[in-house]
Amino acid sequence: GAVVSQHPSRVICKSGTSVKIECRSLDFQATTMFWYRQFPKQSLMLMATSNEGSKATYEQGVEKDKFLINHASLTLSTLTVTSAHPEDSSFYICSARPAGTGGYEQYFGPGTRLTVT
Amino acid sequence: QKEVEQDPGPLSVPEGAIVSLNCTYSNSAFQYFMWYRQYSRKGPELLMYTYSSGNKEDGRFTAQVDKSSKYISLFIRDSQPSDSATYLCAMSAGQNFVFGPGTRLSVLP
Repeated sequence: GAVVSQHPSRVICKSGTSVKIECRSLDFQATTMFWYRQFPKQSLMLMATSNEGSKATYEQGVEKDKFLINHASLTLSTLTVTSAHPEDSSFYICSARPAGTGGYEQYFGPGTRLTVT
Repeated sequence: QKEVEQDPGPLSVPEGAIVSLNCTYSNSAFQYFMWYRQYSRKGPELLMYTYSSGNKEDGRFTAQVDKSSKYISLFIRDSQPSDSATYLCAMSAGQNFVFGPGTRLSVLP
């Protein structure tokens, strides 16, 4: 149980284009989903927290107009990187918290590697 | 001072050794303490979690939390080459997680 999927697993795009990454909780409903970014050999940095049906809360320094997050259902959240630039190249990981839980419960997706050329 | 500190390693040990991984933190509001294992180019996988202070054991893994010292540990007994990964500590006061930078562990056969 508690499986989270991400699609695509890897994407290469040209500078200036937009890329959408999907995060799905496959066997549970997630009222809260989190988006992280991870640079090589570095830890996960929280980008934003999204609650189903409401606007995402972005961490300081994360451009909300560049990283658009939509959490339209209890099993799906999307991250759209708009007007991508090479410095946006990174490993993006989502996680999901099952409805009715808190504290320690976050289940992570396998990540999406974005390369902007 | 960073909110969560962790020795990034790399840490290399022979197969069968006992591994000790540690994190220190500064935020006394943290109540939940987690250890994740992350293989290269994969998402983190939850290994252990502890609420407040104390010890927790699961198979070859033991997690310890000392809130008075703001120090947490993960011990791996009888380490195996398949344990080679990056180990991330994470902490939470209830909503968001704060991760340590991770320790890269290599268990040599």
